[in-house]
Amino acid sequence: EVQLVQSGAEVKKPGESLKISCKGSGYSFTSYWIGWVRQMPGKGLEWMGIIYPGDSDTRYSPSFQGQVTISADKSISTAYLQWSSLKASDTAMYYCARLALGRTGGWFDPWGQGTLVTVSS
Amino acid sequence: EIVLTQSPGTLSLSPGERATLSCRASQSVSSSYLAWYQQKPGQAPRLLIYGASSRATGIPDRFSGSGSGTDFTLTISRLEPEDFAVYYCQQYGSSPPHSFGQGTKLEIK
Repeated sequence: EVQLVQSGAEVKKPGESLKISCKGSGYSFTSYWIGWVRQMPGKGLEWMGIIYPGDSDTRYSPSFQGQVTISADKSISTAYLQWSSLKASDTAMYYCARLALGRTGGWFDPWGQGTLVTVSS
Repeated sequence: EIVLTQSPGTLSLSPGERATLSCRASQSVSSSYLAWYQQKPGQAPRLLIYGASSRATGIPDRFSGSGSGTDFTLTISRLEPEDFAVYYCQQYGSSPPHSFGQGTKLEIK
């Protein structure tokens, strides 16, 4: 069974750094793009960016370029989303999801369970 | 970047009725690379439809997708109580970002 398991909820202060994770299992981790999606409280889904763990090719939405960093460690089948200096506006649920068609791309399936990030002083 | 606009924002229907949800793209979506997702409160989104009209594994046949170019539709033929949720379309045919629509909330009338 293809599965993505995300790290647990985080509570941080503005200005702090954070790295959340998404561990894939049940498939060849290096052969499929992994993406990150933001959902702010009560709002819709926002496409943030994707990474191909096989060669670390990374693409960002212009809205998130420079605001976050997406990375992957293929030795432990884990993708990451990180911030160097959090803001209150980063408070959201963050989902990882696998793109369905390998190097070609495709739709998101499956999804991780989500990681809630709360940034508050 | 392709912008997806979903309508209506909220749809109020009763169980047993037919639901028709629309997703319109600001430019043509290549090869009908459009997906639909369902999200229930407190849950991650779930894939319903890919390639504009192909049902994902385990999705009941009361869900169907259609359309091409810039206009796409998700139809739920007879609403079950568990179908009341928020629905999102997403295009994945162009270079990233692979944008989502803003969502349609399907609520019980």
